[in-house]
Amino acid sequence: AQSVTQLDSQVPVFEEAPVELRCNYSSSVSVYLFWYVQYPNQGLQLLLKYLSGSTLVKGINGFEAEFNKSQTSFHLRKPSVHISDTAEYFCAVSDRNAGNMLTFGGGTRLMVKP
Amino acid sequence: EAGVAQSPRYKIIEKRQSVAFWCNPISGHATLYWYQQILGQGPKLLIQFQNNGVVDDSQLPKDRFSAERLKGVDSTLKIQPAKLEDSAVYLCASSLIPLAGTDTQYFGPGTRLTVL
Repeated sequence: AQSVTQLDSQVPVFEEAPVELRCNYSSSVSVYLFWYVQYPNQGLQLLLKYLSGSTLVKGINGFEAEFNKSQTSFHLRKPSVHISDTAEYFCAVSDRNAGNMLTFGGGTRLMVKP
Repeated sequence: EAGVAQSPRYKIIEKRQSVAFWCNPISGHATLYWYQQILGQGPKLLIQFQNNGVVDDSQLPKDRFSAERLKGVDSTLKIQPAKLEDSAVYLCASSLIPLAGTDTQYFGPGTRLTVL
């Protein structure tokens, strides 16, 4: 079985500051890793995903994430946030042997202040 | 390209009543998922369909929840009877490539259920 832990439930940050949202996973097999964003009253939207190859993955809206196999982490970063980045962010993992079933973390609420 | 459609967007019922949610996936998407998202938590997969067959329903409370995907397109999720703990947002998602762990899931806006 796999699990995902998002270490911070809320992250307040000022506009134009950098941000890192942390994600750790546990799995006994190789995995694919995803970050989704959820704006208020909307469904989830894919930010980026790691499948294989380069451990640094770039996504939409200036976000990037780095896969660290030894630390079983997949932290999300953005060098300069905007007010519009205020949302809930979810890290998710799928087992390479279990089809397309996603296991989500509990989410991190990013609050960007002016 | 139209996204995943869900209805209704909001539903309020009393406990022990029944309720049904509808989902129309993106055209051509073979795989359809239903998730339950309780307030403050991440989505939890309830059931996964490939075309009109069930791939996994291990986390579906089968004593009260049921789901079907007739003709491999639209899907309905039903709760009968509802309990207070069923209050949540029910998300539908779809993906193009059957059982490909690399494939992106596209989510609908969800149905917010409140059980009183």
